[in-house]
Amino acid sequence: RKEVEQDPGPFNVPEGATVAFNCTYSNSASQSFFWYRQDCRKEPKLLMSVYSSGNEDGRFTAQLNRASQYISLLIRDSKLSDSATYLCVVTLGGGSQGNLIFGKGTKLSVKP
Amino acid sequence: DAGITQSPRHKVTETGTPVTLRCHQTENHRYMYWYRQDPGHGLRLIHYSYGVKDTDKGEVSDGYSVSRSKTEDFLLTLESATSSQTSVYFCAAGGGTQPQHFGDGTRLSIL
Repeated sequence: RKEVEQDPGPFNVPEGATVAFNCTYSNSASQSFFWYRQDCRKEPKLLMSVYSSGNEDGRFTAQLNRASQYISLLIRDSKLSDSATYLCVVTLGGGSQGNLIFGKGTKLSVKP
Repeated sequence: DAGITQSPRHKVTETGTPVTLRCHQTENHRYMYWYRQDPGHGLRLIHYSYGVKDTDKGEVSDGYSVSRSKTEDFLLTLESATSSQTSVYFCAAGGGTQPQHFGDGTRLSIL
């Protein structure tokens, strides 16, 4: 089983739509969780951390379900500028020096 | 601006030549990382460092070596480049339970 799995998409949505991405991880010892966004030919940039209680940052909401080993990202009122690839990222547990494991990403395309 | 710069940004070289990529950070992070990104594979960890002169292997370390003589600099060396090492290389700093921040990347082509 892959360590972090994401639907690769692409998700093609109109402006203003709500879109949800899901991610599952295999290592129950994973300690920290993040969503990164990566624009074409650019470096990954941190979008938001994911906390057990769920957290929101403007139009973005992240949720974590440790029992199901599942992470989600909800984007409301999509903008053209949200078009990017969204990477689900978890840290390994067990003294791994905080190494991140990346999903392969979900591509989002927001259309006018 | 996460204060991480990579050099060079682009490089084309020939098989069998040595190549060194440099990563420089200004945030005094303890941890630094080198990744490669290829289509269909996502980001994969090559090597990482947890302090000056302290390094360890990642998932795809074969053919690569690293050095960290100062907190701010982390070098990645391909001793004898092969075409399979054509990739985009990203350096990152941060980590532990905190997120990592990435440099702009180096596009390396090996002919």
